Amino acid sequence: EIVLTQSPGTLSLSPGERATLSCRTSQSVRNNYLAWYQQKPGQAPRLLMYDASSRATGIPDRFSGSGSGTDFTLTISRLEPEDFAVYYCQQYGSIVLTFGGGTKVEIK
Amino acid sequence: VYLLESGGGLVQPGGSLRLSCAASGFTFSSYAMTWVRQAPGKGLEWLSGITATGSGTYYADSLKGRFTISRDNSKSTLYLQMDSLSAEDTALYYCAKNPANNWDGWLDPWGQGTLVTVSS
Repeated sequence: EIVLTQSPGTLSLSPGERATLSCRTSQSVRNNYLAWYQQKPGQAPRLLMYDASSRATGIPDRFSGSGSGTDFTLTISRLEPEDFAVYYCQQYGSIVLTFGGGTKVEIK
Repeated sequence: VYLLESGGGLVQPGGSLRLSCAASGFTFSSYAMTWVRQAPGKGLEWLSGITATGSGTYYADSLKGRFTISRDNSKSTLYLQMDSLSAEDTALYYCAKNPANNWDGWLDPWGQGTLVTVSS
């Protein structure tokens, strides 16, 4: 199974700052089949990005995804108050799908 | 698109439980579906996926054959049969819709989850 390692575990930033979240995989992800989700306390995860760099419907353009192979990044250009949450990456390039451990973006 | 999980609750170690996920707002029989769980305070764990027709099922290795995914397209409902439960299975269980008829892909949307607690 492909193991996904997210870093950092916690990111402490202020509103208006740029957030850069990393997701590294133990093997190359076929066709860059990688998604990002946002989860707020008490809520189900919400899809942000798919195919590494395609924004899901209704997701603001301050969210962007990049990367290929084993190294992927989610960038939030300017943090809004509603962006403080936990973010997960997920690969779907292999038979067994896997998630990363998550990065918490907290208010500094 | 709406997904509503049910069937969670308190079960004793070694017991069984069947979760359901009622879908509405889309043509259920055209899309693969997935189960994911989240233990209290932990991250997301993919459990199982099923193709649109139900002909293909896929499982996380960690389940060791204890869980069975199925679907009834006539009822627009997804199921997860869970056997030989242990405390480690205590979690919030989510169902989610795949983007096409294959088991893989991103997950969108997700239901609100149903809580399973395994305890004596």
